[in-house]
Amino acid sequence: EADIYQTPRYLVIGTGKKITLECSQTMGHDKMYWYQQDPGMELHLIHYSYGVNSTEKGDLSSESTVSRIRTEHFPLTLESARPSHTSQYLCASSDPGTGTYEQYFGPGTRLTVT
Amino acid sequence: AQSVTQPDIHITVSEGASLELRCNYSYGATPYLFWYVQSPGQGLQLLLKYFSGDTLVQGIKGFEAEFKRSQSSFNLRKPSVHWSDAAEYFCAVGGYSGGYQKVTFGIGTKLQVIP
Repeated sequence: EADIYQTPRYLVIGTGKKITLECSQTMGHDKMYWYQQDPGMELHLIHYSYGVNSTEKGDLSSESTVSRIRTEHFPLTLESARPSHTSQYLCASSDPGTGTYEQYFGPGTRLTVT
Repeated sequence: AQSVTQPDIHITVSEGASLELRCNYSYGATPYLFWYVQSPGQGLQLLLKYFSGDTLVQGIKGFEAEFKRSQSSFNLRKPSVHWSDAAEYFCAVGGYSGGYQKVTFGIGTKLQVIP
């Protein structure tokens, strides 16, 4: 059973605040991802990681940053939130050893910046 | 570059009717193909996947999909839709793009089920 967790599930915050979206997985997967999802749009990859101390930017440019200090933890940080950051953020993980690209998703964090 | 096209943004079907959601992909080699479902306020759940072998794959919740290489398609089907199937469905293709492994998602098809 895939277990990947995201907190908070919903966040409403004012412009200029610093926020951290948490993502944790208990499957020991090396690869983790952050996607941004807007209504009617495809999922856009904004960050990914191959393992501890590895982070890369994805296809969609994002002002957010990520870190990977532990295998199971992949938090995303926005230093100064803006209304343009309002979106749903999905975290996912995969086991590169399977070579199948199958990803497991968390429930998402819906962020609203006022 | 790999890409996925889901031509139907929104589909409405009656409960008990059959369903087919369309997906076309673009990828230079044999792709890894997926269908995910997303219920409101939730993440994506894998319905089924195709890597190789039998081109008709069975998934969870009574869904199946057929890989047709000649048409670059991977359409999702269900013979009898239930009200609980109302959700958004995403087709995805996995492969190498830009020098690294990636999964590309379609924009999704929102399924509405009416009584």
